[in-house]
Amino acid sequence: DADVTQTPRNRITKTGKRIMLECSQTKGHDRMYWYRQDPGLGLRLIYYSFDVKDINKGEISDGYSVSRQAQAKFSLSLESAIPNQTALYFCATSDSTGVGYTFGSGTRLTVV
Amino acid sequence: DAKTTQPPSMDCAEGRAANLPCNHSTISGNEYVYWYRQIHSQGPQYIIHGLKNNETNEMASLIITEDRKSSTLILPHATLRDTAVYYCIVRVGGGSNYKLTFGKGTLLTVNP
Repeated sequence: DADVTQTPRNRITKTGKRIMLECSQTKGHDRMYWYRQDPGLGLRLIYYSFDVKDINKGEISDGYSVSRQAQAKFSLSLESAIPNQTALYFCATSDSTGVGYTFGSGTRLTVV
Repeated sequence: DAKTTQPPSMDCAEGRAANLPCNHSTISGNEYVYWYRQIHSQGPQYIIHGLKNNETNEMASLIITEDRKSSTLILPHATLRDTAVYYCIVRVGGGSNYKLTFGKGTLLTVNP
């Protein structure tokens, strides 16, 4: 099994729908992150969490929310999806040193 | 965090060394240089990091200039599977505020 598992791998949804992307990890890491990648661009940080009780906004948090249900689980929600949220979404984890992030395989989301 | 400048693309012949440059002229004394790579829409993969000494691991070598204003990632014997986008990131190592910011990186194409 992968260290960081993202579900679903692919999703097509309609404008205005609420959607949740899930991430779970077996690394035992405290820190988890959600990134978004648009074609030809680098990754942009949406939200991050340094422990179960800690949630922080990244550079592009508008339109998104997160939930850290447990050390191993970090979910990203789009409350009302819009087409410009069509992107590749990555979850990542790191230990407290922050050296060497481990990324999931990504969720490709299309909003029509 | 200090900004980095990387060429948008580079080519390398299979079996030859790939040398990927990164400029980080505004780096401060406590900032590390990290390298990640992303193979076609997969999650980024950690390669190596360093502060001021040259570093080597099973994947690559990192050469940091004495003034620390630039660095070079070296893949000693590039293979077709090394074709990827390579990200150079400068970041304060560890600590409570640690998080990675990705730029556009360098697309390395290894040719047969």
